[in-house]
Amino acid sequence: GDSVTQMEGPVTLSEEAFLTINCTYTATGYPSLFWYVQYPGEGLQLLLKATKADDKGSNKGFEATYRKETTSFHLEKGSVQVSDSAVYFCALSDSNYQLIWGAGTKLIIKP
Amino acid sequence: DAMVIQNPRYQVTQFGKPVTLSCSQTLNHNVMYWYQQKSSQAPKLLFHYYDKDFNNEADTPDNFQSRRPNTSFCFLDIRSPGLGDAAMYLCATSRTGNTEAFFGQGTRLTVV
Repeated sequence: GDSVTQMEGPVTLSEEAFLTINCTYTATGYPSLFWYVQYPGEGLQLLLKATKADDKGSNKGFEATYRKETTSFHLEKGSVQVSDSAVYFCALSDSNYQLIWGAGTKLIIKP
Repeated sequence: DAMVIQNPRYQVTQFGKPVTLSCSQTLNHNVMYWYQQKSSQAPKLLFHYYDKDFNNEADTPDNFQSRRPNTSFCFLDIRSPGLGDAAMYLCATSRTGNTEAFFGQGTRLTVV
């Protein structure tokens, strides 16, 4: 079945560092790919998405490119802030339009 | 703003005492989901509705049930909460074919 694998956390960075959180997927067909973010005690918010190969999703300085050849959707940000501390989930939508989730990566940004 | 609203944000219930969590949406989405999330793990889908059609995940315990009286509202009923049911419960909505899901703030359930 479809699956999503993302790098384990926690990931700890200093403010203004470059961020990469790796995400790879296994799926039949051509799923849509998503990054969701969850701040402490909150629900999930869609951060960005891409619906077809080579699409780049971007929002709030975060970017991710749908790479079909490597089945990847890595999340990047050029300069992180303390306020980016959260748990980040990579997900895909399967052929039944259900979300398949990665395990989540906790990001800690130190001042 | 159109949104998904969950009430209450925090719920404390006694072991074995039935509890109901509620979700409402102003997005007019036809699909509604209930997820269980423990300790910032990946959300686990309990069930979902396509319009009025109820879809139960195979591993959702019978202790969990749901009602959707209309497009806007959906309820999660836990008939006899156990300590293991303490979790964050997340409601989400989407449109059929549009796979983006919109989440509420969640209800943190504590079982004492």
